[in-house]
Amino acid sequence: NAGVTQTPKFQVLKTGQSMTLQCAQDMNHEYMSWYRQDPGMGLRLIHYSVGAGITDQGEVPNGYNVSRSTTEDFPLRLLSAAPSQTSVYFCASSYSDLTFYNSPLHFGNGTRLTVT
Amino acid sequence: SQQGEEDPQALSIQEGENATMNCSYKTSINNLQWYRQNSGRGLVHLILIRSNEREKHSGRLRVTLDTSKKSSSLLITASRAADTASYFCATALSGTYKYIFGTGTRLKVLA
Repeated sequence: NAGVTQTPKFQVLKTGQSMTLQCAQDMNHEYMSWYRQDPGMGLRLIHYSVGAGITDQGEVPNGYNVSRSTTEDFPLRLLSAAPSQTSVYFCASSYSDLTFYNSPLHFGNGTRLTVT
Repeated sequence: SQQGEEDPQALSIQEGENATMNCSYKTSINNLQWYRQNSGRGLVHLILIRSNEREKHSGRLRVTLDTSKKSSSLLITASRAADTASYFCATALSGTYKYIFGTGTRLKVLA
């Protein structure tokens, strides 16, 4: 199994540009989420989804959009990139049924984004 | 911020010694998990402890949870150079699908 796959691995954007970070999982997980990781800050939740067509905001959602049209994919869109969005972005998935609180998160290897 | 905190921020020990790191959190939780992150990689799940459990073991790992103090500790026994990584705690907030991560402990095990 591939698990959670994130693309691209690295990206450099200019301020104001838009882009989409891709996340795909092949474990039939209903729950998918996006985090950003900044030095000394740990991981902070941006958006999450408990199934196709259902999304909700996390701790730091401003500047990011998500949608969930399939179980497998959960893209993260930056509509107008800002230097403050320079970070490493991680996607994670899990089950969202009654086993959610007994299930670990499965992480991708991250996308390192630099906004100049 | 709901973010948890871990201490120490960094820890350096000799191979064979035990490593202890602590996590404190702020709200009611359903479970607490520990993850390891090797440099430049994603997080890997280590162990999960439910809010109604006080201690759990997995191989060389021992986790304790004190919900009255809103704290947890991770003990790695007989550490190896391969244990060098950052370690994060994550709490599942009760009644939500939100996980809140701690700020992490950087562990260095010297051979």
